Amino acid sequence: AQSVTQLGSHVSVSEGALVLLRCNYSSSVPPYLFWYVQYPNQGLQLLLKYTTGATLVKGINGFEAEFKKSETSFHLTKPSAHMSDAAEYFCASRNTGGFKTIFGAGTRLFVKA
Amino acid sequence: DGGITQSPKYLFRKEGQNVTLSCEQNLNHDAMYWYRQDPGQGLRLIYYSQIVNDFQKGDIAEGYSVSREKKESFPLTVTSAQKNPTAFYLCASRMDSSTNEKLFFGSGTQLSVL
Repeated sequence: AQSVTQLGSHVSVSEGALVLLRCNYSSSVPPYLFWYVQYPNQGLQLLLKYTTGATLVKGINGFEAEFKKSETSFHLTKPSAHMSDAAEYFCASRNTGGFKTIFGAGTRLFVKA
Repeated sequence: DGGITQSPKYLFRKEGQNVTLSCEQNLNHDAMYWYRQDPGQGLRLIYYSQIVNDFQKGDIAEGYSVSREKKESFPLTVTSAQKNPTAFYLCASRMDSSTNEKLFFGSGTQLSVL
């Protein structure tokens, strides 16, 4: 069955430090993969997505993620954290041709001044 | 501007009462979805609809009902059979349910039990 696992429900970094949010997926074939961000009391916004082609995907606000089939991973990174990056981040997957998007449990990112 | 509008932003339910959450989109999207969000559990799919007059149960449909009489509207009713309805409810849409396109989300409805 399709599933998404996010390691770490909370991650805390200092402003200017590297951000690394981990995501592993389980699927019989490589799915479409997404990272969404949610600010308090709001809906989700897409940061980036992987469908086919280049495995390193660049998104908005300086975030990027790398699809690694051998590790079934799609970790999200940003070289230098900013206070405005504090939010909850969700990794999601959808099988090719599928109708359902499956979400991980989310990782809340805290950024310290 | 195109988007998804959810209302109300906050809703309170009395025991034994049915309540309906509104979701309207003007994006001309075919597919619409309802998710429930609980702290630490991510988003769980309640119902989804690929086209007008058609919808399917998601992973946690018990205690909920939906309708899709118009392309732009996908209301969710939380019935009295849902014993733990307190959660943040998110409506989403997608252009075509068979593509790799992203989901567009509304700003959510927080439902609480009195």
